[in-house]
Amino acid sequence: DTGVSQDPRHKITKRGQNVTFRCDPISEHNRLYWYRQTLGQGPEFLTYFQNEAQLEKSRLLSDRFSAERPKGSFSTLEIQRTEQGDSAMYLCASSSGSFGENIQYFGAGTRLSVL
Amino acid sequence: AQRVTQPEKLLSVFKGAPVELKCNYSYSGSPELFWYVQYSRQRLQLLLRHISRESIKGFTADLNKGETSFHLKKPFAQEEDSAMYYCALSGESGGSNYKLTFGKGTLLTVNP
Repeated sequence: DTGVSQDPRHKITKRGQNVTFRCDPISEHNRLYWYRQTLGQGPEFLTYFQNEAQLEKSRLLSDRFSAERPKGSFSTLEIQRTEQGDSAMYLCASSSGSFGENIQYFGAGTRLSVL
Repeated sequence: AQRVTQPEKLLSVFKGAPVELKCNYSYSGSPELFWYVQYSRQRLQLLLRHISRESIKGFTADLNKGETSFHLKKPFAQEEDSAMYYCALSGESGGSNYKLTFGKGTLLTVNP
């Protein structure tokens, strides 16, 4: 197991285009999280899944953002009609889901640049 | 609302000197506190969490509920400690608030 995997590592797109990122969590981790990090800031929570159920979404997640985890394994984060303000590092993390266990393991991130 | 404050963006010390990275938090309840570290060109990784009460790589952190602080300390800094350090909190261990709220981070530089 190589840890949390994110694809692509970098994405450059033009304003108005749609983009989709993929995250593969650590095997058998039930919880999967998405965060966004901009320059000079710590990661900010976007949303999380328990298996395939999306249990919480931040108000940062506008209607242009949608996340799925269809079979409770990998997850995708789609941004429609990208804006320059969407430029950021998008981080995925996973945790085991055991009771009382909240150690989150992070992927290397997808860096999005919107031109 | 849950909030984490790291007052220092940059901290520079010499090798062998003590180091303390400050973290204060705001949370209505009993949060779980973490320190994450990001070395150059590496992913974010957990350094330590308050409930485990461990010392990792010589670092310790004590949760002070009265002062709502979780400062990270090391008595003798090493050059390999140079990295970005993030303090983070989540809800009570065993609860349902799993999302992490991060501070803005402190960039530690240990000079030879």
